[in-house]
Amino acid sequence: DTAVSQTPKYLVTQMGNDKSIKCEQNLGHDTMYWYKQDSKKFLKIMFSYNNKELIINETVPNRFSPKSPDKAHLNLHINSLELGDSAVYFCASSPRGAPYEQYFGPGTRLTVT
Amino acid sequence: LAKTTQPISMDSYEGQEVNITCSHNNIATNDYITWYQQFPSQGPRFIIQGYKTKVTNEVASLFIPADRKSSTLSLPRVSLSDTAVYYCLVGDKPGGGADGLTFGKGTHLIIQP
Repeated sequence: DTAVSQTPKYLVTQMGNDKSIKCEQNLGHDTMYWYKQDSKKFLKIMFSYNNKELIINETVPNRFSPKSPDKAHLNLHINSLELGDSAVYFCASSPRGAPYEQYFGPGTRLTVT
Repeated sequence: LAKTTQPISMDSYEGQEVNITCSHNNIATNDYITWYQQFPSQGPRFIIQGYKTKVTNEVASLFIPADRKSSTLSLPRVSLSDTAVYYCLVGDKPGGGADGLTFGKGTHLIIQP
């Protein structure tokens, strides 16, 4: 029973394409996140949603748009992909009142060629 | 200014106790101290969290002195499978900013036979 799952695990695409990454958590958590880990392994938060509402939007290009259809899902859509978008994207969730206790998914390795 | 400072890498041997220290001189009153572990090709995993004094769970212990300007993650009797990157975070809410939980570069712990 995977707590936080992401699909796909690997995504290879060409510049200019539009792609989506899906995330689901079955932990009953209220808050979900998207992180980007670049080639230097630096992990940076992109977005945070609480009960389907956006609460954090760090300095991320407008080409990145999160979508939360319900509390258990937070998808990431990326338009007009660029080479610099190549990274590992992690979804995470945390319980109410404990933002420091985050549970991460396995990651999606995105490669833009 | 970085919120936390920790060694870039550490080496130890199986069966030893490993202590990783993190400096957080500017920790705020509301901030918690949280440690995560990340194996290659996986998402970070929550290890332990504390506010002051000592916290212990089945994985590790966290020592926090009275001034809270540093903390030490203690891993008892490490094994090869403890080789990973360990992140120290301080904050009370997710995201960047002065009080947001931010992943730094972490400490790459290498355990040798």
